[in-house]
Amino acid sequence: GAVVSQHPSWVICKSGTSVKIECRSLDFQATTMFWYRQFPKQSLMLMATSNEGSKATYEQGVEKDKFLINHASLTLSTLTVTSAHPEDSSFYICSARLAGTDYNEQFFGPGTRLTVL
Amino acid sequence: GQNIDQPTEMTATEGAIVQINCTYQTSGFNGLFWYQQHAGEAPTFLSYNVLDGLEEKGRFSSFLSRSKGYSYLLLKELQMKDSASYLCAASDSNYQLIWGAGTKLIIKP
Repeated sequence: GAVVSQHPSWVICKSGTSVKIECRSLDFQATTMFWYRQFPKQSLMLMATSNEGSKATYEQGVEKDKFLINHASLTLSTLTVTSAHPEDSSFYICSARLAGTDYNEQFFGPGTRLTVL
Repeated sequence: GQNIDQPTEMTATEGAIVQINCTYQTSGFNGLFWYQQHAGEAPTFLSYNVLDGLEEKGRFSSFLSRSKGYSYLLLKELQMKDSASYLCAASDSNYQLIWGAGTKLIIKP
């Protein structure tokens, strides 16, 4: 099956620093990747849709200058949380869409837990 | 607007059957997904329906009625490990997933 990895799985950083999270599709090419954020006991919140070779599309209320997304290849997308603050502490999950199938299923990475002190 | 509704929480007994309902309103429709998410983990795919009717997969079944904008996930022979959140998501005309808030299922012995 299609496997998506994320790195790191967890990170603790100081307020004001930047954190980069990688999302890789290991055995398939993903033209579209999605970045979600999930706060405790809440559902997934789509942050942005990332298409290879083009600028990401951000959802309303998500600051594109704070959450930098780069989708440089068909197997890698990165999310950089710039100048992180404690309120950015959350579970960040990426997914990759397997294009060309009957239903364009999204395959999820294992998530990255970010804690900003 | 686009909207997904599902119950916030349900409780069931080990060995029993539980049905989790989901209603949706989307701009266009390209199918309905159910995902399972254990606490602290990413969602995992359970089922996909695009045609009306029931899809059975082991202990889990999923039903769709496009005319009613309604789906349910049926879990049989409940096990303690089934305690998780169950997320309903509808695919709109752009194949973007519109997510429900999730149903937390609590299984009691």
